[in-house]
Amino acid sequence: DSGVTQTPKHLITATGQRVTLRCSPRSGDLSVYWYQQSLDQGLQFLIHYYNGEERAKGNILERFSAQQFPDLHSELNLSSLELGDSALYFCASSVGGAGTGAGEQYFGPGTRLTVT
Amino acid sequence: SQQGEEDPQALSIQEGENATMNCSYKTSINNLQWYRQNSGRGLVHLILIRSNEREKHSGRLRVTLDTSKKSSSLLITASRAADTASYFCATFTSGTYKYIFGTGTRLKVLA
Repeated sequence: DSGVTQTPKHLITATGQRVTLRCSPRSGDLSVYWYQQSLDQGLQFLIHYYNGEERAKGNILERFSAQQFPDLHSELNLSSLELGDSALYFCASSVGGAGTGAGEQYFGPGTRLTVT
Repeated sequence: SQQGEEDPQALSIQEGENATMNCSYKTSINNLQWYRQNSGRGLVHLILIRSNEREKHSGRLRVTLDTSKKSSSLLITASRAADTASYFCATFTSGTYKYIFGTGTRLKVLA
């Protein structure tokens, strides 16, 4: 158990819908990262938050947005869903991330999103 | 192409043999990490090597880093069936605050 929790574990929804994925980082970790893993794209970095502020953006679509709240949990919002958005979405946390101090990441179990 | 690319894409060995996986990357990095993923589950951190280090050991794992060639290798010695998983390298660059994961090597250890 990494200490990172993600809810829900599974999500099945229809095209055009909007969903919210939730992540609680390990106690004490200030950074939260979101990743998308699909069979054809591998593990894609989406976005990084550090202590409530956005630090870096990766291959995140405009239909997707995220935020990190004062209690450090994070939410990833996916809207206008398409079939191609079906994937595993992972959240990870780390203590650092504000500079060279970034170390290992701890991954949650993931949310499996299926868009039908 | 990806920042990190592992080679080979898939590897099948007998229990007790050594497994070597390679990772190449494109830009300057602060550190490189290796992760393991069992099917459909979250990634587990294995080892981190900083850009000023050349080799690091952890149990049956040995990682090397050659920054001049922008490459790293992960050696698993005396492999076990439980080592069957996908292995990913990830690079971190402080200027971008991003972790970039490679495409992964699928390792199968036959009992």
